[in-house]
Amino acid sequence: DVKVTQSSRYLVKRTGEKVFLECVQDMDHENMFWYRQDPGLGLRLIYFSYDVKMKEKGDIPEGYSVSREKKERFSLILESASTNQTSMYLCASILGGGSYNEQFFGPGTRLTVL
Amino acid sequence: GNSVTQMEGPVTLSEEAFLTINCTYTATGYPSLFWYVQYPGEGLQLLLKATKADDKGSNKGFEATYRKETTSFHLEKGSVQVSDSAVYFCALSDHPNDYKLSFGAGTTVTVRA
Repeated sequence: DVKVTQSSRYLVKRTGEKVFLECVQDMDHENMFWYRQDPGLGLRLIYFSYDVKMKEKGDIPEGYSVSREKKERFSLILESASTNQTSMYLCASILGGGSYNEQFFGPGTRLTVL
Repeated sequence: GNSVTQMEGPVTLSEEAFLTINCTYTATGYPSLFWYVQYPGEGLQLLLKATKADDKGSNKGFEATYRKETTSFHLEKGSVQVSDSAVYFCALSDHPNDYKLSFGAGTTVTVRA
């Protein structure tokens, strides 16, 4: 089974802290994504990566950055956390070869910024 | 741009009731369409998909048909169970090599015994 794991299920941070959210997939997928999930808004794409060291902005990249140094790992960084970044963060990955393939999601990290 | 509109919830049903969740979309190309489900405390998982017009996706008793003429992909199940309680997301990706998904807002479904 494909597995996408995220480093924490719950995280509480203070305003201004630098926050790292880690995601690891074990199926050699080329493509990885970070979404945030908010009630009534569905999932919104923050950043994605098609390959190692490659990244592209999604729909809401402001206040976030990412790092992909190894194929299996995709990190989301909040340089200076703010209360409006309190949310559920979901990582996903997909094999290449066409969008017909399934995106596999991690269990999510619920981040609270105080 | 791409967008997905799905019926607002929450939806509360009794066991064995019929479930329909409406989903319509706007896309610049010829999208693939998906329904994802999120059970309590879990990430999303693919429920079903359709990649061309008139395709019917089905899984776990759920069905959805890709209707290009009405730009719709409504989810249906004839007899729901308590275990179907979850949040359901309609999503699209715009063309074969665009892996980005555009999601609807999600519909929370609660099934009571």
